[in-house]
Formats: sequence, structure tokens, C-alpha cells
Amino acid sequence: GAGVSQSPSNKVTEKGKDVELRCDPISGHTALYWYRQSLGQGLEFLIYFQGNSAPDKSGLPSDRFSAERTGGSVSTLTIQRTQQEDSAVYLCASSTRKAGDTYGYTFGSGTRLTVV
Amino acid sequence: DAKTTQPNSMESNEEEPVHLPCNHSTISGTDYIHWYRQLPSQGPEYVIHGLTSNVNNRMASLAIAEDRKSSTLILHRATLRDAAVYYCILRAVEGVGSNYKLTFGKGTLLTVNP
Repeated sequence: GAGVSQSPSNKVTEKGKDVELRCDPISGHTALYWYRQSLGQGLEFLIYFQGNSAPDKSGLPSDRFSAERTGGSVSTLTIQRTQQEDSAVYLCASSTRKAGDTYGYTFGSGTRLTVV
Repeated sequence: DAKTTQPNSMESNEEEPVHLPCNHSTISGTDYIHWYRQLPSQGPEYVIHGLTSNVNNRMASLAIAEDRKSSTLILHRATLRDAAVYYCILRAVEGVGSNYKLTFGKGTLLTVNP
């Protein structure tokens, strides 16, 4: 597609439920990133995928958070047993990561998650 | 990671130029200076990047100090649609180091008055 697509755009869930957030990166982009942004805060890095390499999970805040990327394309971020502090906008971005590439990320519009 | 320092907020009038400063005194020789902006209720979008020379594109201009310890994003004629948070970020060129993660600070909130 022309841009990074995220779904759903909004999600309201009850505390304790599991949620899945989807990201469809730009075709051909080998790198995929997840960030989250709490209300009025900056972007917090969560996880990074690059090709077939092991993902960098260093930003995941707890073991309730996990992500996978199937076939080097679509990625799913899963939050188990959601808590109210998980409420935030979850942003996905992709980039080419070719050697010598200095261009930046393309972000999706995000999924606004509200845990009630 | 090399860090950047930006003012928390700035204000401008419509159709006037805006100069958004960024200090990055610990920048390394392989760090590019990237600027992103985030419009309300949207994800960040790439604005411009540069290494040593000043850069121009359809969105903005980037002026880089000779010692590279600071840079300025220039919006030549601010419009109401330019109201956003502007982030100045350092990023190593791909293949050099491991700075593949964009680390976002708090950025500068630009308000444009009609």
C-alpha cells in the first residue's frame, strides 16, 4: 500500500482482556517498529523487527506485551490482561533499512487503545 | 545515544517565517540530523534531514551549524496546518553503529496564530 496501515483505529477494552493491534507496513520495507504514546507524552519505543533477525524487544514494558511479524510483512502487537496504564496510542512505523539509507520512518496513524 | 535539546514551545504568526532551534553538542561524525513533526491526532511524519550542508525541500529548510553542534529547522511561511510538535533527532547512517531506533524527545510545540 501507499502508507503504513494500522487497525483498528480505536479500541476500547475492559481491564483484564487481551487485545491485538495490527500493522501493515509499506511494501518492501524490511524494518518495522512499534512505539506507544501516552496522553501528552513523547513516543516510547517498544519493539523492532528487521528481516529475519531476532527482534529487539528491549522496549516492551512487561511480559504482557508481545509482538510477531509474519512473513516479513504484517505485524501484530498483543497485550494480555490489559491494565488501565496500557491506555495509549500505539504507533507502527516502517523503513527500508538498506545500507547507506538515511531516510526516515513512515508512521501509521496509530491505534488508540482505551482500557476501562 | 547522542541527545538533542529543543525549546518546549514556540509561537509564530501565520505567513511569517519560523526558526526552530535544536542543540546537539555530542553529535558524532556519522550522525544525521533528522526532523519529524507530529500533527494533532496523527503519527509523526518525516520533514527533512541533513549531515553537514544546508538542505531544502518542499516542506522546510534545514540550516546546520559549521561545527554541527546545532541546527535550525526553517518554515518559510508558517500556516495554521504547521501547528505541530517538531522533533529533532540524531540517527546514524544505516550500517554504522546500532542507532536504528529513532529516540524521540519531547520536541517543540509550535503554535501558529492566525
